[in-house]
Amino acid sequence: GENVEQHPSTLSVQEGDSAVIKCTYSDSASNYFPWYKQELGKRPQLIIDIRSNVGEKKDQRIAVTLNKTAKHFSLHITETQPEDSAVYFCAAIWSNDYKLSFGAGTTVTVRA
Amino acid sequence: GAVVSQHPSRVICKSGTSVKIECRSLDFQATTMFWYRQFPKQSLMLMATSNEGSKATYEQGVEKDKFLINHASLTLSTLTVTSAHPEDSSFYICSAIAEPPSREQYFGPGTRLTVT
Repeated sequence: GENVEQHPSTLSVQEGDSAVIKCTYSDSASNYFPWYKQELGKRPQLIIDIRSNVGEKKDQRIAVTLNKTAKHFSLHITETQPEDSAVYFCAAIWSNDYKLSFGAGTTVTVRA
Repeated sequence: GAVVSQHPSRVICKSGTSVKIECRSLDFQATTMFWYRQFPKQSLMLMATSNEGSKATYEQGVEKDKFLINHASLTLSTLTVTSAHPEDSSFYICSAIAEPPSREQYFGPGTRLTVT
């Protein structure tokens, strides 16, 4: 099955600085890469996703880049705010069905 | 749109009893739903894929006789944890796909199961 690795496991940034989370995947057939934000005890919320025919996608302060050759993708959060503090998960579609494989998660703490 | 609900949100049961968790797509039909389990400070682990009108597909290491899944309609899938034990205590989350070939999964709010 798909193996998704995510780094770092924890990330502490000063408010206003940028945060970058990186993920790698193993299945070269993967073609959909969503990012989720999860607050304690809540459901994962999709914050941005990217498909394999696109190299970069941006939505306000959030951007995702994809390098299919290297099989890695990254989440960039600019101008971080305290409300950005949460656990972030990357994921990749596994094989030719709709199964998602999740990374281990990154706990982001934005210091005011 | 694309709202998924789960019931109950929290449940406490005694060891050896069974618990049923419902997952509903409220404003769309879902031919495929997924069940995940999430232990504290860990990631979501896929347990099984639930397809309407057919048997669920379980991931390796997940006991199908312990985690019974039924997807009897296009808007409802149920997960029954049979003979629950304390190690089954976890956060169970379902998700549904609204419109294949869209890959986006819509997640339910989760069910916190505590087995005493």
